[in-house]
Amino acid sequence: GENVEQHPSTLSVQEGDSAVIKCTYSDSASNYFPWYKQELGKRPQLIIDIRSNVGEKKDQRIAVTLNKTAKHFSLHITETQPEDSAVYFCAAFSNTGRRALTFGSGTRLQVQP
Amino acid sequence: DGGITQSPKYLFRKEGQNVTLSCEQNLNHDAMYWYRQDPGQGLRLIYYSQIVNDFQKGDIAEGYSVSREKKESFPLTVTSAQKNPTAFYLCASTTSSYNEQFFGPGTRLTVL
Repeated sequence: GENVEQHPSTLSVQEGDSAVIKCTYSDSASNYFPWYKQELGKRPQLIIDIRSNVGEKKDQRIAVTLNKTAKHFSLHITETQPEDSAVYFCAAFSNTGRRALTFGSGTRLQVQP
Repeated sequence: DGGITQSPKYLFRKEGQNVTLSCEQNLNHDAMYWYRQDPGQGLRLIYYSQIVNDFQKGDIAEGYSVSREKKESFPLTVTSAQKNPTAFYLCASTTSSYNEQFFGPGTRLTVL
């Protein structure tokens, strides 16, 4: 089945700096890659997603890149703000076999004011 | 809120007791999922259902059971066979064409 690895597990940046979180996946049939932000005690919220027919997607300060050949995708947050502090999860969805998301282990991002 | 509700918000279970967590959605979504999240950990798939009257085991199904008698509802029962059920349980749903997966607000289960 699908296996998703996420790095780093914790990331601390200064306000205004950029943050990058990386994920790799194992199933070449995976074709949908969402990123979720989870604040303490809350549900995960989708912040951006990308499908396998696209290499990059941007939404204001957030961008995701996908390298299908290398089977990795990354989340980029620019001009970080203290409210970006949270746990971020990547995930991969395969259209074959088990049709369900497989999540990475999460990255705790701390933005220092 | 994405139209998914979970109840109760907090649940306490005694040793040897079965408890049922409710998940309801009014989004007309075909697929529904149950995840377990332990403190500081990621989301692990317990069970999922693509259509009514059908469901499949996820990665950690032992000690859990589900039913999918209605499209809107996907209840999860935590049985006494689940030896360490204390966790945050999240229900989610999505369309069959798989766009965004919406999460419910979660149920925090504690074993007394």
